[in-house]
Amino acid sequence: EDQVTQSPEALRLQEGESSSLNCSYTVSGLRGLFWYRQDPGKGPEFLFTLYSAGEEKEKERLKATLTKKESFLHITAPKPEDSATYLCAVHPLFGSSNTGKLIFGQGTTLQVKP
Amino acid sequence: NAGVTQTPKFQVLKTGQSMTLQCAQDMNHEYMSWYRQDPGMGLRLIHYSVGAGITDQGEVPNGYNVSRSTTEDFPLRLLSAAPSQTSVYFCASRARGGLRGTWSQYFGPGTRLLVL
Repeated sequence: EDQVTQSPEALRLQEGESSSLNCSYTVSGLRGLFWYRQDPGKGPEFLFTLYSAGEEKEKERLKATLTKKESFLHITAPKPEDSATYLCAVHPLFGSSNTGKLIFGQGTTLQVKP
Repeated sequence: NAGVTQTPKFQVLKTGQSMTLQCAQDMNHEYMSWYRQDPGMGLRLIHYSVGAGITDQGEVPNGYNVSRSTTEDFPLRLLSAAPSQTSVYFCASRARGGLRGTWSQYFGPGTRLLVL
């Protein structure tokens, strides 16, 4: 069964303290892996798409990487405004290819304290 | 572009009432979806559409209806509201195709629904 698991569920960091969020996936082939940021009371905001193992994408203090089994979202020197829930989703290669159905993880809630 | 818009932002219903959640996008995206988000459950797909006139069920379709008469609009109808439908509802859209047949999906701001 296709599955996406994110860890940790919650993460508290001090401002400037770098860390990583994990997204492990079990799917029958991968078309793409997506990272979203969600602020309280708002819709998920698209951050990155990764397609192949070894691929990396960067945006400001965030860097997403991909292996054959997991993706990491690295946060370098975070600021309080980086506090949010980060969601990971995968688009499997088989099964949902014609419908575009995504499988979402539960999310990691990040709190960055000043 | 306004992107994906949803109305209303917040709604309170009584059990048994019906209502329609509106969703519109101005990006000419063919694919549109409705999700519900509940604590501890993540985002779950309710219904989706791959183009005007074509809809299909997602993971949790019971109690909801959709139609897609235009590319821009994808309303979600609650037929007879139940307390279990209390949730936050998100509409999303994406373009067709893209690298390796996948794409970036964009979400609306959400509708918070409370069913008493």
